[in-house]
Amino acid sequence: AQSVTQPDIHITVSEGASLELRCNYSYGATPYLFWYVQSPGQGLQLLLKYFSGDTLVQGIKGFEAEFKRSQSSFNLRKPSVHWSDAAEYFCAVVGFSGGYNKLIFGAGTRLAVHP
Amino acid sequence: DTEVTQTPKHLVMGMTNKKSLKCEQHMGHRAMYWYKQKAKKPPELMFVYSYEKLSINESVPSRFSPECPNSSLLNLHLHALQPEDSALYLCASSPGGTGASLYEQYFGPGTRLTVT
Repeated sequence: AQSVTQPDIHITVSEGASLELRCNYSYGATPYLFWYVQSPGQGLQLLLKYFSGDTLVQGIKGFEAEFKRSQSSFNLRKPSVHWSDAAEYFCAVVGFSGGYNKLIFGAGTRLAVHP
Repeated sequence: DTEVTQTPKHLVMGMTNKKSLKCEQHMGHRAMYWYKQKAKKPPELMFVYSYEKLSINESVPSRFSPECPNSSLLNLHLHALQPEDSALYLCASSPGGTGASLYEQYFGPGTRLTVT
């Protein structure tokens, strides 16, 4: 079955520092991949997606992610973190489970930003 | 309009109550979803409506009853809930059809449900 692993449960960075959140997936074919962000008590906001083509994708809020098939990874990056980026980040892949395709989420990475 | 709205934002209900959660989108999306999210966990899929028909029910207990009155609206009717049903309930929508955009989901802010 398809799965998504986010190895880091919690990450703390200083404001202005660069950020990389890791995501590894298991999927046989070319996956459909997503990154979502969730601020406390809020819904999920789509940051970016990868379906095909250019492996470096740009998203909203200055985020980007790179699809690396050889490493089964889709890591999220931001060159300079702002305090407002503190949130929970979920990586997701479209996977086949229970007889149909659906979004399969990783466990999430909680980002804290120090001033 | 790229927004999914949900009402109410907060709901407290007793185990014998009947209540409903509402979700609305005006993006012309043809697929709508209900998710349940417990604290510090990712969302768990409950139901999927595609073109106003229930297409996926993730073995959800019958005390949760979804309804899709039209392509813009999605309801979740609640009856005889248990305290463990307390969670954030998220609605989402996606363009539908075929291909990758089917899975590009846009989420509402959620309804925080507490069952006492």
